[in-house]
Order: sequence, then structure tokens, then C-alpha cells
Amino acid sequence: KQEVTQIPAALSVPEGENLVLNCSFTDSAIYNLQWFRQDPGKGLTSLLLIQSSQREQTSGRLNASLDKSSGRSTLYIAASQPGDSATYLCAVKSSGYALNFGKGTSLLVTP
Amino acid sequence: KAGVTQTPRYLIKTRGQQVTLSCSPISGHRSVSWYQQTPGQGLQFLFEYFSETQRNKGNFPGRFSGRQFSNSRSEMNVSTLELGDSALYLCASSLGLAARGADTQYFGPGTRLTVL
Repeated sequence: KQEVTQIPAALSVPEGENLVLNCSFTDSAIYNLQWFRQDPGKGLTSLLLIQSSQREQTSGRLNASLDKSSGRSTLYIAASQPGDSATYLCAVKSSGYALNFGKGTSLLVTP
Repeated sequence: KAGVTQTPRYLIKTRGQQVTLSCSPISGHRSVSWYQQTPGQGLQFLFEYFSETQRNKGNFPGRFSGRQFSNSRSEMNVSTLELGDSALYLCASSLGLAARGADTQYFGPGTRLTVL
């Protein structure tokens, strides 16, 4: 059974700092890995999708990398802003059509 | 293009009742998945439908059921509600590509169900 772990569970940084969120998974036989953002009480916003054959994806200030062999992904956020405060979720699609989610990292960016 | 919509956004029910939640996918998307989100368990997969057929099912009791219509809209039903069913229920849609690695899921805002 695929297990997805996100570290740290919570993170507080001052505005302007670069930061890294970590995601690990136990089964390297994946189709893709997706990073989402969730604001309190809201649905999930897709940030980046990395297919199993890819090593990284970039969108604006966000960069996600994937090392399938070691079962790890990182989400790098450059020049963090208070508007980046949210919970960031990592999800892996392995067998079937379901996404297996980590518990998320709650990020607070202080002005 | 309109995103995934879910109705209603909030529901309050009592134990023993049943409830039906609705999800309208992004236009052109044929796959709809349902997830339950609770503080303790996080996000857990319920089931996935593609072209009116259930393709995949998570580890939930039979009280949880769903269906998909010919226009790809989907409904989820929970019968005999229990206190533990209180959660945010999220629907996600995708094109349902055969190349699963390229198939991005887009989530709706969710339905907040409270069982008293």
C-alpha cells in the first residue's frame, strides 16, 4: 500500500524567504506526483504535476522535483509572500486511478 | 472555462439520515473522483467514475455509494449517517486519459457535511 509522508507538518517563515517542502512515498511505481494548495475550508488547487518520466516542473516561483528511485519530491517556493500561507499537499497516483495524499504541510508566511 | 462545482456547499444532518451530494465536472472531463477529508485521516479516496462506470473504489463501507450520469455529472450518496461521516467531501474531475501520468485532477470547493 502506498504511503505518503510530508515533512514538516507545519512551517513558519518570514516574508521573502526561500523554502522547501518535502514529500516521500514508499512505492516508486508511480504514474505521477501532484502538488496542491488548500486554503482553510476550501478545495484543492493544483500547483504542479510531475509525470513519472520527468524530474521537475516549474511554475512561476514554484519548482517541484521528483526522484522516483528514492521515493522523494520537493516543492521549492522562492521569495515567499504572505499570500503563500496555506496547506500544501502532495499526492501520488500509483495503482488504479486514485490519488494517495500526504497529511500536508501547513505554511505560514509572516509579513 | 468553469471549474468543478459541488452542491450543496454545506449540509447538516442527523444520525441515521441519508444524504446526496452532487458534482459537476469541468466541461469535457469524463472522470470524476470523490474524496473524504477529515482532520484525523486526511484525504481518503472513495471512488472514481468514468463514462458512467465505477473504475476504482476505496476502502469505505457500502453505505457510501455513487453514480455518474451520461453528461459526466456525478452524485454521491451516504446512507444511515454516522457521527464519523462528518467531513469535507471533495470531488475531482479529469479528462480520464489512458496515459494516467498526464491526467491532472482538478478539485471542486467541497461539501461540508456535519452529522449531529
